[in-house]
Amino acid sequence: AQKITQTQPGMFVQEKEAVTLDCTYDTSDPSYGLFWYKQPSSGEMIFLIYQGSYDQQNATEGRYSLNFQKARKSANLVISASQLGDSAMYFCAMREGSTGGSYIPTFGRGTSLIVHP
Amino acid sequence: EPEVTQTPSHQVTQMGQEVILRCVPISNHLYFYWYRQILGQKVEFLVSFYNNEISEKSEIFDDQFSVERPDGSNFTLKIRSTKLEDSAMYFCASSKGQDYGRDTGELFFGEGSRLTVL
Repeated sequence: AQKITQTQPGMFVQEKEAVTLDCTYDTSDPSYGLFWYKQPSSGEMIFLIYQGSYDQQNATEGRYSLNFQKARKSANLVISASQLGDSAMYFCAMREGSTGGSYIPTFGRGTSLIVHP
Repeated sequence: EPEVTQTPSHQVTQMGQEVILRCVPISNHLYFYWYRQILGQKVEFLVSFYNNEISEKSEIFDDQFSVERPDGSNFTLKIRSTKLEDSAMYFCASSKGQDYGRDTGELFFGEGSRLTVL
């Protein structure tokens, strides 16, 4: 069964606007971590932001913030003030953390973001 | 800033040939991983390595694949007899640790090795 679901294969946003990339996850483990990675056309995987399941506040890193809604099992990435260089694939990933759970991050299928000038 | 390095960046090989992909993880990291990404598709876990042995592997990681850390710095992925469907980008990653609460378990990825099997 899919543990990470990214329902938007592609998204478009105007430069300087904000954009939200959706991610829902499935786990019965009370202890887990959620990650977002960016993959530009050059291919490398760049870590953006992390949210732990017990974190009280939504994670933020510069223009990136994570809208964490635990009851809905969603961890959407919000990019504010989009820049042309934000055009890339974005992957949501989850790592489960309790005994019996896998520590290995599992990735979603990704969302392609294109920022228009 | 420390980084994970991978070689080669691109390798073209004939079906049935052996391929070795090399990685140098970040020096104080303890856990090492290989993932692969078939063009345009999701990033798939292959194997994780800790304390000189495989800690977890996926169903993709069959007998054709092997990993080793021969000299304390390099971490290699060997594909014994390549198949067309092995064509993909292979990512090496490392992390400091997996203890939840002390470490996020963030993976640091290399830039990938693109393997093309003809």
